[in-house]
This record gives sequence, C-alpha cells and structure tokens, in this order.
Amino acid sequence: AQSVTQLGSHVSVSEGALVLLRCNYSSSVPPYLFWYVQYPNQGLQLLLKYTSAATLVKGINGFEAEFKKSETSFHLTKPSAHMSDAAEYFCAVSGGIYDMRFGAGTRLTVKP
Amino acid sequence: KAGVTQTPRYLIKTRGQQVTLSCSPISGHRSVSWYQQTPGQGLQFLFEYFSETQRNKGNFPGRFSGRQFSNSRSEMNVSTLELGDSALYLCASSRRQGSGDTQYFGPGTRLTVL
Repeated sequence: AQSVTQLGSHVSVSEGALVLLRCNYSSSVPPYLFWYVQYPNQGLQLLLKYTSAATLVKGINGFEAEFKKSETSFHLTKPSAHMSDAAEYFCAVSGGIYDMRFGAGTRLTVKP
Repeated sequence: KAGVTQTPRYLIKTRGQQVTLSCSPISGHRSVSWYQQTPGQGLQFLFEYFSETQRNKGNFPGRFSGRQFSNSRSEMNVSTLELGDSALYLCASSRRQGSGDTQYFGPGTRLTVL
C-alpha cells in the first residue's frame, strides 16, 4: 500500500521568498506522484504530476517538484512566493492497483 | 472542455434525513471517484466507479453508497445522516481506471447536517 506524509501542516513565507513544501512517500511499486492545490471553497486543482519520465517536474503557476528515490521525497518548490499562492497543498501517491492516497495537506500563508 | 461539475454546491440537512449528490465527469472520462474532506480527517476516499461498476471502496459505513450511469455521471447517496457527515464531498474524474491516471476534481458539495 502507498502512503504520503506531508511535513508541516502550516508553512508561512514572505512574498518573494522561496516556497518549499515537503512530501515523503511510501510505495512498494514505482509510484505516480501528484501535487494538488486547493483554494477556499473549491475543489483540488492539479499542479503537477511525476510519471518517471523526468525527475524534475514543472507544473503550473511556477511550481516544480523533484523526485528523489533515495530519499523517497517529492518536495514542491517555487522560487518566489506570490500572495495568490496562499492555499492548501496536497501531495498524493498512486501505484499498482488503483489506490490514490493523499497527504494531510499543508496550508501555505504568504505575508506581504 | 468543461470541467467536472457537482450539484448542488451547498446543502443543509437534518439528522436522519438522506441526501443525494450528483457529479458529471469531464467528457470522455469513464472513472469517477468520490472523497470526503473534513478538517479532522482530511481527504478520505469513499469509492470509485468505472463503467457503471464500483471498482474500489474506502472504509465507510454502508450508509454511503453510489452509482454510475451509462453516460458516466455518478451519484452518491448518504442515508440516515449523522452530524459527523458534515463535510465537503469531492468528485474526481479520470479517463481510465488505474494507477497513475490523473484525477480532475469538481468544486465539491458542502453538506451541513444539523
């Protein structure tokens, strides 16, 4: 079975600062990994997806994530935070038989 | 291409009642999954339907049920509502069933049980 751990339920950064949201996964098979973003009272929007084609995955809104097998990590980064990035972010893993598992989420606050 | 739509967006019910939520997937998508999202438990998988058949089910009581129609639209039903059923219910669709296929989410239905 797959599982995901997101380190830090809340992350606060200043506008223009680096955003780093941490995700570690556990999977007995090569995983598919996802990052989703959720704005208040909305559904989840796909930011990016890892499919083993490349370890560095670029997504929408300037986000990217790097797959590190040795560390079983898939951290999400953005070089410069914008006020509009304030939202909740979810890491998810899927592998083998359909079994999508989501992390608990990280709420990102961006201070002016 | 239109996204996943869910109706209604907001719903208020009282304990003991039942409720039906609807989800229309993206055109061409045949898999529909349902999730319950609460502040305490986060995102929890309810069930997945593919080609009108339930293929996978999460750890929820039998009061939670669903179905999928031939046009891939899906409904979810909760009977004998409890206060703890208050949540955001999210529907997601994907092209196929199976590992790695990207799920696209609807805006959710906010259910409040009084």
